[in-house]
Amino acid sequence: NAGVTQTPKFRVLKTGQSMTLLCAQDMNHEYMYWYRQDPGMGLRLIHYSVGEGTTAKGEVPDGYNVSRLKKQNFLLGLESAAPSQTSVYFCASSKQGSGQYFGPGTRLLVL
Amino acid sequence: AQSVTQLGSHVSVSEGALVLLRCNYSSSVPPYLFWYVQYPNQGLQLLLKYTTGATLVKGINGFEAEFKKSETSFHLTKPSAHMSDAAEYFCASREGVYKLSFGAGTTVTVRA
Repeated sequence: NAGVTQTPKFRVLKTGQSMTLLCAQDMNHEYMYWYRQDPGMGLRLIHYSVGEGTTAKGEVPDGYNVSRLKKQNFLLGLESAAPSQTSVYFCASSKQGSGQYFGPGTRLLVL
Repeated sequence: AQSVTQLGSHVSVSEGALVLLRCNYSSSVPPYLFWYVQYPNQGLQLLLKYTTGATLVKGINGFEAEFKKSETSFHLTKPSAHMSDAAEYFCASREGVYKLSFGAGTTVTVRA
């Protein structure tokens, strides 16, 4: 099993550009999550999904959109990137009652 | 809502010494609690979790944590630090059915 994978690993954007981060899991987990990690702030939940075709807002959803068209994939979109979105983004997945399994992260720099 | 507080953003220990990382939670209902470890430039890895039952939980890499309801604490310990334990550690509590709330993290450095 590959577990949770994320694409790309690193990206540089200019302010106003758009991009999509892809998360894939092969553990047949129902739940998937997108977090951002910033120094001294731990991980903050951006959006999450409790099943195919469903998404919900987390703590810091502004400026991001998500889609879960397939059970194994969870996409995070930035429509108009801002320097405040410079961060490390982690995807995670879980089944009910279990801990979350994390991907390796995507480092995003917005200039 | 549940939340967790990690006491101390940095901990430095000598190799072979006790590692103690502190975590307190706030919850009006019995919480599900977790400790994760993050090595440099990697994702988070689950060390251990407390759901119900035994209050002393053993995890991977020789770590363990004790759930103390009277102190609302879930401190992480390892009797003897190894150089490979240098990493950042996160305490988390589960909110509702699936969401996790993370502490700010504690960075552990190990001195030779």
